[in-house]
Amino acid sequence: QQPVQSPQAVILREGEDAVINCSSSKALYSVHWYRQKHGEAPVFLMILLKGGEQKGHDKISASFNEKKQQSSLYLTASQLSYSGTYFCGATNTGNQFYFGTGTSLTVIP
Amino acid sequence: DGGITQSPKYLFRKEGQNVTLSCEQNLNHDAMYWYRQDPGQGLRLIYYSQIVNDFQKGDIAEGYSVSREKKESFPLTVTSAQKNPTAFYLCASRPLRGGTGELFFGEGSRLTVL
Repeated sequence: QQPVQSPQAVILREGEDAVINCSSSKALYSVHWYRQKHGEAPVFLMILLKGGEQKGHDKISASFNEKKQQSSLYLTASQLSYSGTYFCGATNTGNQFYFGTGTSLTVIP
Repeated sequence: DGGITQSPKYLFRKEGQNVTLSCEQNLNHDAMYWYRQDPGQGLRLIYYSQIVNDFQKGDIAEGYSVSREKKESFPLTVTSAQKNPTAFYLCASRPLRGGTGELFFGEGSRLTVL
């Protein structure tokens, strides 16, 4: 049931860009993105509801292709504060909420 | 301030003992969720509830039990049947009507079995 994310881990230098992908074998009603720092609870980044929708704030944006059941998170000009583990989250019509497998992102100076 | 309160933050248990983790929210959210996270791993759904007196199993419900007697409360009991209960447990809630539908999390409970 768990959406699959790729890559599993990525290391960036400050200022570089990254793309994190999330793919589900089941139909997605909506896609959320969260970031988790070590030992803390995940923090909400954004939600995408419609096929093809794109959203973003600051230098983090995301897209959702409802037909392909895929979402991608785009981080541009990465900062040290972007380090953490990124999870996509997906809902279905039953209001279950599943998280993806996670992507560890490390930004180094 | 509105939010989710989990307690205790840290808990040590001997093998064979049941323990109950508390989760209380004052956000008036309909849905509540329990997740388990092992070191370096993702969040796996244990149980969720959309309405009072009703709850559904997630992927890893074996060895766990829940109740939803009040909208605000969704306690999780880790029973002795759970073979490897040492983990970080996160409670979350979200509205099912209105808002963005985002999950709001408690600070988590870290359970260690001695």
